[in-house]
Amino acid sequence: AQSVTQLDSQVPVFEEAPVELRCNYSSSVSVYLFWYVQYPNQGLQLLLKYLSGSTLVKGINGFEAEFNKSQTSFHLRKPSVHISDTAEYFCAVLSGLYNNNDMRFGAGTRLTVKP
Amino acid sequence: DGGITQSPKYLFRKEGQNVTLSCEQNLNHDAMYWYRQDPGQGLRLIYYSQIVNDFQKGDIAEGYSVSREKKESFPLTVTSAQKNPTAFYLCASSLSPRNRETQYFGPGTRLLVL
Repeated sequence: AQSVTQLDSQVPVFEEAPVELRCNYSSSVSVYLFWYVQYPNQGLQLLLKYLSGSTLVKGINGFEAEFNKSQTSFHLRKPSVHISDTAEYFCAVLSGLYNNNDMRFGAGTRLTVKP
Repeated sequence: DGGITQSPKYLFRKEGQNVTLSCEQNLNHDAMYWYRQDPGQGLRLIYYSQIVNDFQKGDIAEGYSVSREKKESFPLTVTSAQKNPTAFYLCASSLSPRNRETQYFGPGTRLLVL
């Protein structure tokens, strides 16, 4: 079965600074990878996803992520963050073999953008 | 607007009481899911349904029950057998159960024990 590790539980950064949220996964088969964002007391919103093709994936709100198969990573990046990016971010992995019910989520990274 | 609605936003449960969380979607999605979210943890799957009148247990189904009588509705009942129900509950749906389909989430219901 696949699993996900988000390496940082909290990431504080100043406004307009770049940020990288790290995600590593383990799986013995091909995977699909997702990043979701959760604002306080709300559901999850899809930021971006990797299904196949180009390993650099661009999402909403200026975020992008790069799939690195050799390092089994899918790190999320943004070159310049805003106060409004303060939220919890979840990395998720889905095995290529199974149906959608086997999505595994990381524990989340809380991004705090300070003025 | 299409989307997923969950109600209520906050729910209080007394000892020994069953409570039901509502999840409705108007996206015409076949598959629906219930997750539980605890602080500092990722989401854990409680139940899922790939099609009407069918549902399967997820990783933490004990103390919960569901039904899927209509395509657009997937209510979750937290029974008295669930000894630690305090959590944030998220409902999701996807166009089909296929693993390439994106899961879309509702706004969540926070369940608290009195």
